[in-house]
Amino acid sequence: DIQLTQSPSFLSASVGDRVTITCRASQGISSYLAWYQQKPGKAPKLLIYAASTLQSGVPSRFSGSGSGTEFTLTISSLQPEDFATYYCQQLNSYPRTFGGGTKVEIK
Amino acid sequence: QLQLQESGSGLVKPSQTLSLTCAVSGDSISSGGYSWNWIRQPPGKGLEWIGCMYQGGSTYYNPSLKSRVTISVDRSKNQFSLKLSSVTAADTAVYYCARSSVSALDAFDFWGQGTMVTVSS
Repeated sequence: DIQLTQSPSFLSASVGDRVTITCRASQGISSYLAWYQQKPGKAPKLLIYAASTLQSGVPSRFSGSGSGTEFTLTISSLQPEDFATYYCQQLNSYPRTFGGGTKVEIK
Repeated sequence: QLQLQESGSGLVKPSQTLSLTCAVSGDSISSGGYSWNWIRQPPGKGLEWIGCMYQGGSTYYNPSLKSRVTISVDRSKNQFSLKLSSVTAADTAVYYCARSSVSALDAFDFWGQGTMVTVSS
């Protein structure tokens, strides 16, 4: 199985901050990586697929980059509605696996 | 707009079989270019992919659950189902169904709201 390691696991930030979350894969996965946002009691929501393609309707302050084994999710200016938990997921091979999550909380 | 809705028993006894259904509306489950997935999330923990079924009928399961999992489709009802046998307390989780799209490099673009399943006697 491909392991995904997210860092940090917890992040405290203020509205307007630039936030970066990293996801490292245990082996190369090309660009087969997606990012999701999950709020308490809700299903995950797709933000980015193919490592850097913004899903329709997702604000442009979200961006993704990387390929191979190292990927990043960046929020350019954190908004109140962005406080949530973020997960990366690899889609290069089965079983599909998720990172452990990064919880973004208000400072 | 595609919608997915999970349903099934919210309480299952240990050693019994968990059964859930995901009803799909807004598109045909037989449309090409998609797979239909089950994912679970234990309380306070992360996401675990359970398995999926493609339009052609092929299935892929998480090896950690493979011996206990069956995913099937009922095209006449436009829904797909999950069966997980010999459940224990470790199977207590919110269970989600989701669609994976080839056009999104297999990312999960639509999710159900999730249904909580508790394993307890």
